[in-house]
Amino acid sequence: ELKVEQNPLFLSMQEGKNYTIYCNYSTTSDRLYWYRQDPGKSLESLFVLLSNGAVKQEGRLMASLDTKARLSTLHITAAVHDLSATYFCAESNYQLIWGAGTKLIIKP
Amino acid sequence: GAVVSQHPSRVICKSGTSVKIECRSLDFQATTMFWYRQFPKQSLMLMATSNEGSKATYEQGVEKDKFLINHASLTLSTLTVTSAHPEDSSFYICSARDSARGPRNQPQHFGDGTRLSIL
Repeated sequence: ELKVEQNPLFLSMQEGKNYTIYCNYSTTSDRLYWYRQDPGKSLESLFVLLSNGAVKQEGRLMASLDTKARLSTLHITAAVHDLSATYFCAESNYQLIWGAGTKLIIKP
Repeated sequence: GAVVSQHPSRVICKSGTSVKIECRSLDFQATTMFWYRQFPKQSLMLMATSNEGSKATYEQGVEKDKFLINHASLTLSTLTVTSAHPEDSSFYICSARDSARGPRNQPQHFGDGTRLSIL
């Protein structure tokens, strides 16, 4: 069964702290996506990771992909309140197989 | 960047009404579009894959007679919720692939979603 597992599902943290969201997937796909969703809104693409060892950074967010471990991580550095949202990872096998999402709350 | 326009953004209507949602790719062609449903605090659930010029492929458990999909052109797919009932209330999101890119490197671009409320 194709499966994507994200953890944690809920994360509350203080501004200025670092944390990592983990995404494990079950297939041999080498394409992994990270999306952000604000309440009541659609999805915003953050990163597309296309190969083993890929690392991408945008501002305080950095995503990486280890295809051998079937693991992707989204690392948040020195979190700020504006990063509060739900983050989804999805792996691609023609269709997107979605993780359950991580609701991130960053307190001032 | 690539834009997908979805409308309406919000629909409130009475039970028994049929509701049509449009999904347009504005600056690219999309041979494939996807329709998702999202319940509160849950992930996206793929309902169907819409293929231009052919029948949609529905996921298991999704009633094709209830959720009619038409993908008549390379830039437009529609989802019609027929005879909607309160349990059909949800957030519906479409996405589209850019056909100009190869199949191994096609990103999905998402519409803004449609919040459907059936009274």
